[in-house]
Amino acid sequence: EAQVTQNPRYLITVTGKKLTVTCSQNMNHEYMSWYRQDPGLGLRQIYYSMNVEVTDKGDVPEGYKVSRKEKRNFPLILESPSPNQTSLYFCASSPSEGGNSPLHFGNGTRLTVT
Amino acid sequence: QKEVEQDPGPLSVPEGAIVSLNCTYSNSAFQYFMWYRQYSRKGPELLMYTYSSGNKEDGRFTAQVDKSSKYISLFIRDSQPSDSATYLCAMTGTGANSKLTFGKGITLSVRP
Repeated sequence: EAQVTQNPRYLITVTGKKLTVTCSQNMNHEYMSWYRQDPGLGLRQIYYSMNVEVTDKGDVPEGYKVSRKEKRNFPLILESPSPNQTSLYFCASSPSEGGNSPLHFGNGTRLTVT
Repeated sequence: QKEVEQDPGPLSVPEGAIVSLNCTYSNSAFQYFMWYRQYSRKGPELLMYTYSSGNKEDGRFTAQVDKSSKYISLFIRDSQPSDSATYLCAMTGTGANSKLTFGKGITLSVRP
């Protein structure tokens, strides 16, 4: 089954404790992206990757890191999480960037930072 | 003016009603228009996809794009409780305008 898999689904952590949210897709997509979704603010892009070893900032990159060492994986790293990073996170992928390549989303990771 | 504006909702309708969801946008370079549906505790999934102006129908769903007015709509006929979800519009262009821009979403509840 074609899918984007995120882990974990739920995560509670404390301020300053480094964490990684994993994302993997099995569709051989070149483009991958991370979003956060907050009430009243909608989906906001954190980082994206056009291909292996090619990453770029989205609209809200502060406090986050990403890497793209393999085509299928695109982990999101929070080096020193803070309470304002409490949110619902989505990883997404598509064959390429652009309107004729709609995104496929994972089922989300709900992160709480206390 | 925000690039994409979507009615904030929430919206509650009785089963069988016709639902109209709308978004307006400001960037005339947008050419690809999408509607995503997001169920509770799930990621958004693509529901409808339209290129440029016109209508597209898929079962009970019709997507409409009016580029002259910079206005898109999603119509749901004979709405069902299973249609209860959050609906997000999204749009993009090409080249320098190829970043996908989302509306904030509207939560629809269909009452049995």
